[in-house]
Amino acid sequence: AQSVTQLDSQVPVFEEAPVELRCNYSSSVSVYLFWYVQYPNQGLQLLLKYLSGSTLVKGINGFEAEFNKSQTSFHLRKPSVHISDTAEYFCAVSDRWDDKIIFGKGTRLHILP
Amino acid sequence: DVKVTQSSRYLVKRTGEKVFLECVQDMDHENMFWYRQDPGLGLRLIYFSYDVKMKEKGDIPEGYSVSREKKERFSLILESASTNQTSMYLCASSPGQRGGVYEQYFGPGTRLTVT
Repeated sequence: AQSVTQLDSQVPVFEEAPVELRCNYSSSVSVYLFWYVQYPNQGLQLLLKYLSGSTLVKGINGFEAEFNKSQTSFHLRKPSVHISDTAEYFCAVSDRWDDKIIFGKGTRLHILP
Repeated sequence: DVKVTQSSRYLVKRTGEKVFLECVQDMDHENMFWYRQDPGLGLRLIYFSYDVKMKEKGDIPEGYSVSREKKERFSLILESASTNQTSMYLCASSPGQRGGVYEQYFGPGTRLTVT
Protein backbone atom coordinates (compact mmCIF):
# COMPACT_ATOMS: atom_id res chain seq x y z
CA ALA A 1 0.00 0.00 0.00
CA GLN A 2 1.09 3.51 -0.69
CA SER A 3 2.34 5.75 2.09
CA VAL A 4 3.47 9.37 2.32
CA THR A 5 6.01 10.85 4.71
CA GLN A 6 6.21 14.56 5.37
CA LEU A 7 9.48 14.94 7.18
CA ASP A 8 8.71 18.14 9.06
CA SER A 9 5.59 18.71 11.14
CA GLN A 10 6.32 22.44 11.43
CA VAL A 11 8.52 24.80 9.42
CA PRO A 12 9.19 28.37 10.58
CA VAL A 13 10.52 30.76 7.96
CA PHE A 14 11.00 34.51 7.75
CA GLU A 15 8.82 36.52 5.39
CA GLU A 16 10.36 36.90 1.91
CA ALA A 17 12.73 33.97 2.54
CA PRO A 18 12.62 30.78 0.43
CA VAL A 19 11.00 27.62 1.76
CA GLU A 20 11.07 23.91 0.97
CA LEU A 21 8.55 21.45 2.39
CA ARG A 22 9.71 17.87 2.06
CA CYS A 23 7.66 14.86 0.98
CA ASN A 24 8.62 11.26 0.28
CA TYR A 25 6.33 8.48 -0.90
CA SER A 26 6.68 4.72 -1.02
CA SER A 27 7.76 3.33 -4.35
CA SER A 28 5.29 2.27 -6.99
CA VAL A 29 5.26 1.78 -10.73
CA SER A 30 3.00 4.68 -11.56
CA VAL A 31 1.83 7.32 -9.14
CA TYR A 32 0.10 10.63 -9.19
CA LEU A 33 1.31 13.21 -6.69
CA PHE A 34 -0.43 16.22 -5.15
CA TRP A 35 0.13 19.09 -2.79
CA TYR A 36 -2.89 20.55 -1.02
CA VAL A 37 -3.06 23.63 1.22
CA GLN A 38 -5.40 24.21 4.14
CA TYR A 39 -5.82 27.77 5.39
CA PRO A 40 -7.10 28.22 8.96
CA ASN A 41 -10.71 27.05 9.39
CA GLN A 42 -11.06 25.99 5.77
CA GLY A 43 -11.11 22.80 3.73
CA LEU A 44 -8.25 21.62 1.53
CA GLN A 45 -7.44 23.30 -1.77
CA LEU A 46 -5.28 21.85 -4.55
CA LEU A 47 -1.93 23.67 -4.97
CA LEU A 48 -0.49 21.52 -7.76
CA LYS A 49 -0.35 18.01 -9.12
CA TYR A 50 2.05 15.74 -11.01
CA LEU A 51 0.50 13.25 -13.41
CA SER A 52 3.22 12.75 -16.04
CA GLY A 53 5.64 14.68 -18.24
CA SER A 54 7.85 17.47 -16.93
CA THR A 55 9.16 16.73 -13.47
CA LEU A 56 8.92 20.39 -12.44
CA VAL A 57 5.32 21.32 -11.71
CA LYS A 58 4.10 24.86 -11.17
CA GLY A 59 1.08 25.57 -9.04
CA ILE A 60 -0.94 28.45 -7.68
CA ASN A 61 0.40 31.24 -5.46
CA GLY A 62 3.98 30.90 -6.77
CA PHE A 63 4.56 27.36 -5.49
CA GLU A 64 6.32 24.64 -7.47
CA ALA A 65 7.31 21.04 -6.83
CA GLU A 66 9.79 18.65 -8.36
CA PHE A 67 9.09 14.97 -8.92
CA ASN A 68 12.20 12.86 -8.32
CA LYS A 69 11.50 9.23 -9.17
CA SER A 70 14.89 7.87 -8.05
CA GLN A 71 14.51 9.44 -4.61
CA THR A 72 10.72 8.95 -4.47
CA SER A 73 10.35 12.58 -3.44
CA PHE A 74 8.03 15.43 -4.33
CA HIS A 75 9.30 18.47 -2.43
CA LEU A 76 7.36 21.74 -2.50
CA ARG A 77 9.21 25.05 -2.90
CA LYS A 78 8.54 28.76 -2.99
CA PRO A 79 11.31 31.32 -3.60
CA SER A 80 9.82 34.04 -1.38
CA VAL A 81 7.04 33.47 1.15
CA HIS A 82 4.41 35.91 2.28
CA ILE A 83 2.47 36.11 5.53
CA SER A 84 -0.59 34.91 3.61
CA ASP A 85 1.17 31.56 3.02
CA THR A 86 0.61 30.66 6.67
CA ALA A 87 -1.25 27.36 6.40
CA GLU A 88 -0.94 23.61 6.68
CA TYR A 89 0.36 21.80 3.60
CA PHE A 90 -0.44 18.20 2.74
CA CYS A 91 1.43 15.98 0.32
CA ALA A 92 -0.65 13.18 -1.20
CA VAL A 93 -0.25 10.22 -3.58
CA SER A 94 -2.50 7.91 -5.54
CA ASP A 95 -1.79 4.89 -7.69
CA ARG A 96 -2.86 4.89 -11.30
CA TRP A 97 -6.51 3.74 -11.59
CA ASP A 98 -7.12 4.10 -7.86
CA ASP A 99 -9.44 6.96 -7.05
CA LYS A 100 -8.39 7.00 -3.40
CA ILE A 101 -5.66 9.44 -2.35
CA ILE A 102 -3.29 8.81 0.55
CA PHE A 103 -2.39 11.94 2.51
CA GLY A 104 0.67 12.75 4.56
CA LYS A 105 0.33 14.06 8.09
CA GLY A 106 0.83 17.66 7.07
CA THR A 107 3.42 20.40 7.56
CA ARG A 108 2.49 23.65 9.28
CA LEU A 109 4.20 26.63 7.68
CA HIS A 110 4.77 29.52 10.10
CA ILE A 111 5.78 32.82 8.55
CA LEU A 112 7.84 34.99 10.88
CA PRO A 113 7.69 38.79 10.43
CA ASP B 1 -16.37 25.94 -10.00
CA VAL B 2 -16.88 22.71 -8.12
CA LYS B 3 -18.74 23.25 -4.91
CA VAL B 4 -18.82 20.84 -2.00
CA THR B 5 -20.94 21.93 0.93
CA GLN B 6 -21.26 20.47 4.40
CA SER B 7 -24.38 20.96 6.49
CA SER B 8 -22.70 22.45 9.55
CA ARG B 9 -19.38 24.17 10.27
CA TYR B 10 -19.59 23.50 14.00
CA LEU B 11 -21.59 20.88 15.86
CA VAL B 12 -21.79 19.96 19.55
CA LYS B 13 -23.40 16.66 20.52
CA ARG B 14 -23.71 14.58 23.65
CA THR B 15 -22.25 11.12 24.17
CA GLY B 16 -24.62 8.44 22.88
CA GLU B 17 -26.48 10.70 20.43
CA LYS B 18 -26.95 9.69 16.81
CA VAL B 19 -25.22 12.24 14.60
CA PHE B 20 -25.71 12.94 10.91
CA LEU B 21 -23.16 14.87 8.87
CA GLU B 22 -24.35 15.81 5.40
CA CYS B 23 -22.31 16.57 2.30
CA VAL B 24 -23.56 17.77 -1.08
CA GLN B 25 -21.64 18.28 -4.32
CA ASP B 26 -22.96 20.08 -7.35
CA MET B 27 -20.74 18.70 -10.14
CA ASP B 28 -22.22 15.25 -10.80
CA HIS B 29 -19.12 13.54 -9.41
CA GLU B 30 -19.06 9.74 -9.18
CA ASN B 31 -16.88 9.51 -6.07
CA MET B 32 -17.42 10.93 -2.62
CA PHE B 33 -15.28 10.58 0.49
CA TRP B 34 -15.43 11.18 4.23
CA TYR B 35 -12.24 11.89 6.17
CA ARG B 36 -11.49 12.83 9.71
CA GLN B 37 -8.62 15.19 10.46
CA ASP B 38 -6.82 15.18 13.80
CA PRO B 39 -3.68 17.14 14.79
CA GLY B 40 -0.53 15.22 13.93
CA LEU B 41 -2.45 12.44 12.16
CA GLY B 42 -3.34 14.16 8.92
CA LEU B 43 -6.41 13.01 6.99
CA ARG B 44 -7.69 9.50 7.50
CA LEU B 45 -10.29 7.97 5.19
CA ILE B 46 -13.45 6.77 6.93
CA TYR B 47 -15.61 5.72 3.98
CA PHE B 48 -15.63 6.07 0.23
CA SER B 49 -18.55 5.83 -2.22
CA TYR B 50 -17.99 5.27 -5.94
CA ASP B 51 -21.63 5.26 -6.98
CA VAL B 52 -25.13 5.63 -5.58
CA LYS B 53 -25.76 3.01 -2.89
CA MET B 54 -22.16 1.77 -3.25
CA LYS B 55 -19.66 2.20 -0.44
CA GLU B 56 -16.28 0.96 0.61
CA LYS B 57 -14.65 1.05 4.04
CA GLY B 58 -11.64 3.25 4.47
CA ASP B 59 -8.92 3.02 7.07
CA ILE B 60 -11.02 3.84 10.16
CA PRO B 61 -14.68 2.83 9.61
CA GLU B 62 -15.36 1.62 13.15
CA GLY B 63 -18.15 3.57 14.82
CA TYR B 64 -19.32 5.13 11.54
CA SER B 65 -21.72 4.28 8.74
CA VAL B 66 -22.62 6.09 5.52
CA SER B 67 -25.54 6.55 3.18
CA ARG B 68 -25.64 7.58 -0.45
CA GLU B 69 -29.19 7.51 -1.78
CA LYS B 70 -28.60 10.23 -4.39
CA LYS B 71 -25.51 10.93 -6.43
CA GLU B 72 -24.97 14.42 -5.06
CA ARG B 73 -25.38 13.61 -1.37
CA PHE B 74 -23.19 11.54 0.95
CA SER B 75 -24.05 11.27 4.63
CA LEU B 76 -21.82 10.20 7.49
CA ILE B 77 -23.59 8.70 10.49
CA LEU B 78 -22.28 8.28 13.99
CA GLU B 79 -24.66 5.70 15.46
CA SER B 80 -23.74 6.47 19.07
CA ALA B 81 -21.35 9.38 19.38
CA SER B 82 -18.38 9.03 21.71
CA THR B 83 -15.85 11.57 22.95
CA ASN B 84 -13.08 9.99 20.85
CA GLN B 85 -15.06 10.99 17.75
CA THR B 86 -14.47 14.67 18.52
CA SER B 87 -12.68 15.81 15.38
CA MET B 88 -12.78 17.78 12.14
CA TYR B 89 -14.72 15.94 9.45
CA LEU B 90 -13.99 16.68 5.80
CA CYS B 91 -16.04 15.62 2.82
CA ALA B 92 -14.58 15.44 -0.69
CA SER B 93 -15.71 14.49 -4.18
CA SER B 94 -14.07 13.64 -7.49
CA PRO B 95 -15.15 12.54 -10.94
CA GLY B 96 -12.50 9.80 -10.76
CA GLN B 97 -9.60 8.92 -13.01
CA ARG B 98 -11.95 7.51 -15.67
CA GLY B 99 -13.24 11.07 -15.91
CA GLY B 100 -9.71 12.31 -16.57
CA VAL B 101 -9.58 14.23 -13.31
CA TYR B 102 -7.42 12.91 -10.56
CA GLU B 103 -7.73 15.28 -7.65
CA GLN B 104 -10.41 15.57 -5.00
CA TYR B 105 -12.43 18.66 -4.14
CA PHE B 106 -13.07 19.40 -0.49
CA GLY B 107 -15.83 20.97 1.55
CA PRO B 108 -15.10 23.46 4.36
CA GLY B 109 -15.27 20.83 7.09
CA THR B 110 -17.45 20.21 10.15
CA ARG B 111 -15.85 20.55 13.55
CA LEU B 112 -17.68 18.08 15.78
CA THR B 113 -17.37 18.15 19.54
CA VAL B 114 -18.83 15.28 21.55
CA THR B 115 -19.27 16.04 25.26
